[in-house]
Amino acid sequence: GQNIDQPTEMTATEGAIVQINCTYQTSGFNGLFWYQQHAGEAPTFLSYNVLDGLEEKGRFSSFLSRSKGYSYLLLKELQMKDSASYLCAPMDSNYQLIWGAGTKLIIKP
Amino acid sequence: NAGVTQTPKFRVLKTGQSMTLLCAQDMNHEYMYWYRQDPGMGLRLIHYSVGEGTTAKGEVPDGYNVSRLKKQNFLLGLESAAPSQTSVYFCASSYLASGSSSGANVLTFGAGSRLTVL
Repeated sequence: GQNIDQPTEMTATEGAIVQINCTYQTSGFNGLFWYQQHAGEAPTFLSYNVLDGLEEKGRFSSFLSRSKGYSYLLLKELQMKDSASYLCAPMDSNYQLIWGAGTKLIIKP
Repeated sequence: NAGVTQTPKFRVLKTGQSMTLLCAQDMNHEYMYWYRQDPGMGLRLIHYSVGEGTTAKGEVPDGYNVSRLKKQNFLLGLESAAPSQTSVYFCASSYLASGSSSGANVLTFGAGSRLTVL
């Protein structure tokens, strides 16, 4: 079966760095997405990885290891507005997204 | 720059009632999707459409029907609502056809429709 595993909740301090891990098992693989979802709002696109390695985009970076079925999202210089849920979503062989339950990130001053 | 618009945003139904959620996108996207989101669970795909006049079942299609008569609109219908259908419903669209791994299959979501079935 297809499975996504990411921590339910994480807490970090404003200005710090946090890494949100995601492990996955899918039927085939065509890349992995990270989305951000603030409470009560729609998910918005953060990053996409299809090859192994690190993709950097401002304060956010995303890493992928296809052989390990593993990805992480790295958030630097945390701001209060980064308090949100972060959704890991690999794409299977049918180009369908398989969504994790999300990691709720709480930023404390 | 409307993007994806869902109506209504909130609705309370009684068991057995019917209703339709409307999704409209102005980005000329081919692909449209209906998801539901429940606490502690990932987004689950209900139905999707790869183009005008076509629809397909997703992961949890039972109890729902959809129609895509116009490219810009994707309707989700509940014929006889049940309490298990209490959820937040998200519509999304994308422009990439299947068969490409370029990463352009980014979903644009609507703001969501919160449905409560009593």
